[in-house]
Amino acid sequence: DTAVSQTPKYLVTQMGNDKSIKCEQNLGHDTMYWYKQDSKKFLKIMFSYNNKELIINETVPNRFSPKSPDKAHLNLHINSLELGDSAVYFCASSGREGYEQYFGPGTRLTVT
Amino acid sequence: ELKVEQNPLFLSMQEGKNYTIYCNYSTTSDRLYWYRQDPGKSLESLFVLLSNGAVKQEGRLMASLDTKARLSTLHITAAVHDLSATYFCAVDLEETSGSRLTFGEGTQLTVNP
Repeated sequence: DTAVSQTPKYLVTQMGNDKSIKCEQNLGHDTMYWYKQDSKKFLKIMFSYNNKELIINETVPNRFSPKSPDKAHLNLHINSLELGDSAVYFCASSGREGYEQYFGPGTRLTVT
Repeated sequence: ELKVEQNPLFLSMQEGKNYTIYCNYSTTSDRLYWYRQDPGKSLESLFVLLSNGAVKQEGRLMASLDTKARLSTLHITAAVHDLSATYFCAVDLEETSGSRLTFGEGTQLTVNP
């Protein structure tokens, strides 16, 4: 029944590694997003995709690459992880009416 | 660049008291959302405000939007401990497809017995 799901929930890795976070929504929404929440709880949008097309691409290091294989999935791949990448990453989705965004449970990434 | 400011950032209140959280923003928008986040959890949608003068209420929480003043308020009535959480407002600058949310810094609310 989960509307927006993410895997993994926790990710602990070393600097320099490459990792991916997966997101899936079963709400039939056209648009999906990635947000980063830092240690001070500040939330900032990173990317959005509409129907597999990149719409928003904020000032994010190009080590971060989103991929949308279909409109129900939006994955986030991170190359050469750095300490500053440690954060909680939230996936979200929205439909056409009201544009209200529904958030996934989050992935807590810790880079050591 | 859109700026969204909440105040206060930290709020400690006693059960039974009333208080208001303010959300000011810098650019014209008539879409504003309030979310609740419990520690270690995701964001839960509380209110969707889509027009000037919109007012919505759910239980002890009431949200309003004044687009001319670029101000939204979240009013808490007779607070209870269960309302302890972080509350975020988010302003939406509608994109061609989907939306672009800019979040406030969040207000960490603690309700004490």
